[in-house]
Amino acid sequence: DIQMTQSPSTLSASVGDRVTITCRASQSISSWLAWYQQKPGKAPKLLIYKASSLESGVPSRFSGSGSGTEFTLTISSLQPDDFATYYCQQYDSYSFTFGPGTKVDIE
Amino acid sequence: QVQLRESGPGLVKPSQTLSLTCTVSGGSISSGGYYWSWIRQHPGKGLEWIGYIYYSGSTYYNPSLKSRVTMSVDTSKNQFSLKLSSVTAADTAVYYCARAYGDPRVYFDYWGQGTLVTVSS
Repeated sequence: DIQMTQSPSTLSASVGDRVTITCRASQSISSWLAWYQQKPGKAPKLLIYKASSLESGVPSRFSGSGSGTEFTLTISSLQPDDFATYYCQQYDSYSFTFGPGTKVDIE
Repeated sequence: QVQLRESGPGLVKPSQTLSLTCTVSGGSISSGGYYWSWIRQHPGKGLEWIGYIYYSGSTYYNPSLKSRVTMSVDTSKNQFSLKLSSVTAADTAVYYCARAYGDPRVYFDYWGQGTLVTVSS
């Protein structure tokens, strides 16, 4: 199985901050990576697919980059609605695996 | 707008079979182009993909759960289902159904609200 790691595990930030979350794969996954946002008690929401493609309806302050084994999710200016947990997911090979999550909370 | 909703018992006894159904609205399962998936999340933990099924009945399961998982689809009801046998407390989790886009590399673009299943006697 391809293992996914994320850093940091928790990030404290303020509204307006630029936030970057890193996801690493245990082997190359090309650009087969998605990012999700999850709020407490809710299902995950797709933000980014194929490493850098923005899902329809997702604000443009979210962006993704990377390929191979290292990827980043960037929020250019953190908004109150963005405080949540973020997960990456590889879909290069079965079984599809998720990272452990990065919680973004209020500083 | 596609919507998915999970249904099934919230409490299952150890060694029994967990059974859940996902009802899809706003789109037809049999239109093709998507895989229909189950994903679970242990309390306070990350996400684990369980498997997916195509409208034709083709399935692929997470190898770590494969021996206990069965998925089926009922296109007439626009539903798909999950059965997980021989459950233990370790199977206590929120279970999500989701639509998976791609072939065969998939990501999950629509999710149900999730349903908590507790395994306890």
